[in-house]
Amino acid sequence: GGIITQTPKFLIGQEGQKLTLKCQQNFNHDTMYWYRQDSGKGLRLIYYSITENDLQKGDLSEGYDASREKKSSFSLTVTSAQKNEMAVFLCASSTQGNYAEQFFGPGTRLTVL
Amino acid sequence: QQNVQQSPESLIVPEGARTSLNCTFSDSASQYFWWYRQHSGKAPKALMSIFSNGEKEEGRFTIHLNKASLHFSLHIRDSQPSDSALYLCAPGTGGYKVVFGSGTRLLVSP
Repeated sequence: GGIITQTPKFLIGQEGQKLTLKCQQNFNHDTMYWYRQDSGKGLRLIYYSITENDLQKGDLSEGYDASREKKSSFSLTVTSAQKNEMAVFLCASSTQGNYAEQFFGPGTRLTVL
Repeated sequence: QQNVQQSPESLIVPEGARTSLNCTFSDSASQYFWWYRQHSGKAPKALMSIFSNGEKEEGRFTIHLNKASLHFSLHIRDSQPSDSALYLCAPGTGGYKVVFGSGTRLLVSP
């Protein structure tokens, strides 16, 4: 088995601030994902990475940047936090794309004041 | 561009009832179909998947898949309060991009 850790668990920022969320996995999976989940809603794909140093935009990439410098880690940056933005950001990994099971981290809850 | 729709949006059923959740997708190249379950405050976790047309049963849970009608469903027999959760479907085309449905929120009342 393996585990995905996300830091921080809670993130509070100010409007306009640049904020970074981190994700680590020890499954040795090639593919990693970042999703945004608004309260009680489904998952929207922000960025994904097929392998180390690869980045692909999802449907919600505007306002975000991502970085995959190591196979085990995937970072997401909110480039300019929006006031009243509140969501949970979920990181996931899988062995080989959308045929395979996705394993999720516990999430980072973002609040922007 | 895959478009995934789930219905109903929310559902309340009594304990012991049979529950049906629906997922329709737009990309006919979809080959693998997943259901995930997310309990409140927790991460989503894979529940079941299906590859071939037809039916797959695991305990109280059954998936039906009809690729021609671009539809798959999850059926829960003898629903339990512990089944209360957000259910998410995700069809896979063999690429890397994953598109989830917007979810069905199920509440099983004791």
